[in-house]
Amino acid sequence: AQSVTQLDSQVPVFEEAPVELRCNYSSSVSVYLFWYVQYPNQGLQLLLKYLSGSTLVESINGFEAEFNKSQTSFHLRKPSVHISDTAEYFCAVSDSPGGKGANSKLTFGKGITLSVRP
Amino acid sequence: EAGVAQSPRYKIIEKRQSVAFWCNPISGHATLYWYQQILGQGPKLLIQFQNNGVVDDSQLPKDRFSAERLKGVDSTLKIQPAKLEDSAVYLCASSSPGTGDQETQYFGPGTRLLVL
Repeated sequence: AQSVTQLDSQVPVFEEAPVELRCNYSSSVSVYLFWYVQYPNQGLQLLLKYLSGSTLVESINGFEAEFNKSQTSFHLRKPSVHISDTAEYFCAVSDSPGGKGANSKLTFGKGITLSVRP
Repeated sequence: EAGVAQSPRYKIIEKRQSVAFWCNPISGHATLYWYQQILGQGPKLLIQFQNNGVVDDSQLPKDRFSAERLKGVDSTLKIQPAKLEDSAVYLCASSSPGTGDQETQYFGPGTRLLVL
């Protein structure tokens, strides 16, 4: 069984400040890790993902996350946030073993509400 | 490329009534998922289809929830009878096995259900 822990439920920050949204996971097998973002009244959108290779992954809008196997973490960071980054952020883990024709089952954390203030 | 479509976007019903939600996945995506997202929680998988077959329905409350994907394309999720605790957003997602992007699930906008 796998699980995702997002201890912080709300993170308020000022515009242009750095932010870190924490995510820890538990799994007995190799994992794929994801961050999804949900803007108000919208569906989930993939922000970034770690499948293999470089442990640092980046999104097109300045977010990055680093896979740390020893700490079982996949924290999301951004050096300078904008008002438009206000949203709910979900960390998720998939136990898809080989990826070849497999069906990924996502387990989500409870989500973190990021509120960016001017 | 069109995304995952869901309807209706909002639904209000009274307890013990029935309700149905519709989902049309991204064209060519063989795998379809239904999630339940209760306020303040992350999405929880209800059922997963591969084409028109069920892969995982272990968390689907089968006494009141049912889902089908008869032709392996669009899908319907039904609740009958609804309970107050079914108030949630129901999300549909799809993915495409064997494409190199099979790990990524693409989500629709969701159907927000309120049971009174």
